[in-house]
Amino acid sequence: GEEVAQTPKHLVRGEGQKAKLYCAPIKGHSYVFWYQQVLKNEFKFLISFQNENVFDETGMPKERFSAKCLPNSPCSLEIQATKLEDSAVYFCASSPTDRLNQPQHFGDGTRLSIL
Amino acid sequence: RKEVEQDPGPFNVPEGATVAFNCTYSNSASQSFFWYRQDCRKEPKLLMSVYSSGNEDGRFTAQLNRASQYISLLIRDSKLSDSATYLCVVLAGSGDKLTFGTGTRLAVRP
Repeated sequence: GEEVAQTPKHLVRGEGQKAKLYCAPIKGHSYVFWYQQVLKNEFKFLISFQNENVFDETGMPKERFSAKCLPNSPCSLEIQATKLEDSAVYFCASSPTDRLNQPQHFGDGTRLSIL
Repeated sequence: RKEVEQDPGPFNVPEGATVAFNCTYSNSASQSFFWYRQDCRKEPKLLMSVYSSGNEDGRFTAQLNRASQYISLLIRDSKLSDSATYLCVVLAGSGDKLTFGTGTRLAVRP
């Protein structure tokens, strides 16, 4: 599509439950990025993919967080055994590879609330 | 020290005012620079890219000084609809993550 599509818009989970978020990048964009934005407005980079390959995972917490981008499927970010501090808005972004240093285009985000 | 530093504001200005935001970055190898706008914790939207030669888009002018590692955004004739958080964003290279400043909040009053 012409926009980055994220689902669901809102997700509520009890502490300890699993949360799974989805992202469909703009058609033709081969880079996908996940960011976490918490209350103080700071964006934390989590992970990026080039097509289905992990490109940079330096921001991913070592435990509980995992992500995939499989062919012909939306990308996903999964959090196992959620904690209160996982409450945040999770943004997905995509960018093309046909030109250098292009800006990233963001989806609407998924607001995750852990109770 | 943060990689991208911005004055958090808020800047509270009347309609029609001119307002300027500044940003500094620490990674001298950074290749691309952008201003994004974020409304009420919605998704960041690209406002404009920033080039060394300076660039203008209507009421918005952006400037980059690579020697000083400094980026600016000037908004002329502020409108109520300009009220938002303005994010200074730096890209090290193609495919790399974006590094965000904490944003500068602008409130334009009637």
